[in-house]
Amino acid sequence: SQTIHQWPATLVQPVGSPLSLECTVEGTSNPNLYWYRQAAGRGLQLLFYSVGIGQISSEVPQNLSASRPQDRQFILSSKKLLLSDSGFYLCAWSGRPNTEAFFGQGTRLTVV
Amino acid sequence: AQTVTQSQPEMSVQEAETVTLSCTYDTSESDYYLFWYKQPPSRQMILVIRQEAYKQQNATENRFSVNFQKAAKSFSLKISDSQLGDAAMYFCAYRRGQGNLIFGKGTKLSVKP
Repeated sequence: SQTIHQWPATLVQPVGSPLSLECTVEGTSNPNLYWYRQAAGRGLQLLFYSVGIGQISSEVPQNLSASRPQDRQFILSSKKLLLSDSGFYLCAWSGRPNTEAFFGQGTRLTVV
Repeated sequence: AQTVTQSQPEMSVQEAETVTLSCTYDTSESDYYLFWYKQPPSRQMILVIRQEAYKQQNATENRFSVNFQKAAKSFSLKISDSQLGDAAMYFCAYRRGQGNLIFGKGTKLSVKP
């Protein structure tokens, strides 16, 4: 069966520090991969999605970037965190054909 | 652009009763998918139910069922025999073909014992 791992679960980082959140998927190949952000009490905002290695599409211009160095690995990064980057980040994958998405357990990021 | 609207920020239901959560969407497409996701306090997003637009029959999963009205662009979720574990945020979502999931802002469901 397919599983998705996302870490760390919680993270407290100072303003201006770098960020690296990692997500890996097991049990499937060539998945579509997504990064979402959920601000407190709000819905999910799509940040990045990827249909293959090295292929990244950005939905919202911001302080973050994403990379897909391997087929089942998706990384969310920042060179310098801002206070506004605080939130709950969710990684997700979907198969082909593209129907429902399956989510990781999320990372709660607090920038102080 | 496609949008998903959940007009009920919060809902409450008595344990063992039935509750219906509303969702409307805006699209010009004829082929798409609709979903309901549950987000409990742990914040893990869990797929509850899925509906393909080309299917006229409403999807059901145990105590969860949908009322899909394609012409009205409405996709409501009915939870029967509500349980305390059903308390969560519920998100309606839309996907067109190979496009991305678009989420509504969610409905917070409380279940009273």
